[in-house]
Amino acid sequence: NAGVTQTPKFRILKIGQSMTLQCTQDMNHNYMYWYRQDPGMGLKLIYYSVGAGITDKGEVPNGYNVSRSTTEDFPLRLELAAPSQTSVYFCASQKKWNTEAFFGQGTRLTVV
Amino acid sequence: AQTVTQSQPEMSVQEAETVTLSCTYDTSESNYYLFWYKQPPSRQMILVIRQEAYKQQNATENRFSVNFQKAAKSFSLKISDSQLGDTAMYFCAFNQGGKLIFGQGTELSVKP
Repeated sequence: NAGVTQTPKFRILKIGQSMTLQCTQDMNHNYMYWYRQDPGMGLKLIYYSVGAGITDKGEVPNGYNVSRSTTEDFPLRLELAAPSQTSVYFCASQKKWNTEAFFGQGTRLTVV
Repeated sequence: AQTVTQSQPEMSVQEAETVTLSCTYDTSESNYYLFWYKQPPSRQMILVIRQEAYKQQNATENRFSVNFQKAAKSFSLKISDSQLGDTAMYFCAFNQGGKLIFGQGTELSVKP
């Protein structure tokens, strides 16, 4: 059972470039999340989804977009990358909102 | 909007002693869940304990217990008989209806 899989693990982007961070889970979880974690800081919620076809903004959505066309996948799109988006990004999923969240290994993104 | 606040950026404790990490939150909802997650240097997020807002009894998991004060919107974590392996970042988290948000974290060091 793979759990939550994020790709890539590392990426360097130039200012103004775009990219998609991939997240997939094989646990048939309804709830999925994207967070960013800056050095020494907590996790800030970017976007979340309570099921296929439904997404909503979190605490820091500006500069990002998501889609949820299937239960398994929840990609995060960065358009026009900026240095402020340098961070570690985590994807997570839950079966129900009151159960344990499972996290991916994270993607370390650097924008230069 | 819901918020989660951890006012102790860093704490240290001697091995075998007891330490308490603080967390406060703000919400107008009555049905929600609270969680404590641990993030060791490996960056993997690990669930420590969870508490349902409707339950008055404080949750306990082995050496970990919480002091849940609903009226005060306080949710502290007590670690008894601290072990070197408890060294990690600890995050308090709140979930209501699918929006899972985290506090800033407390970095705990257990000293031999």
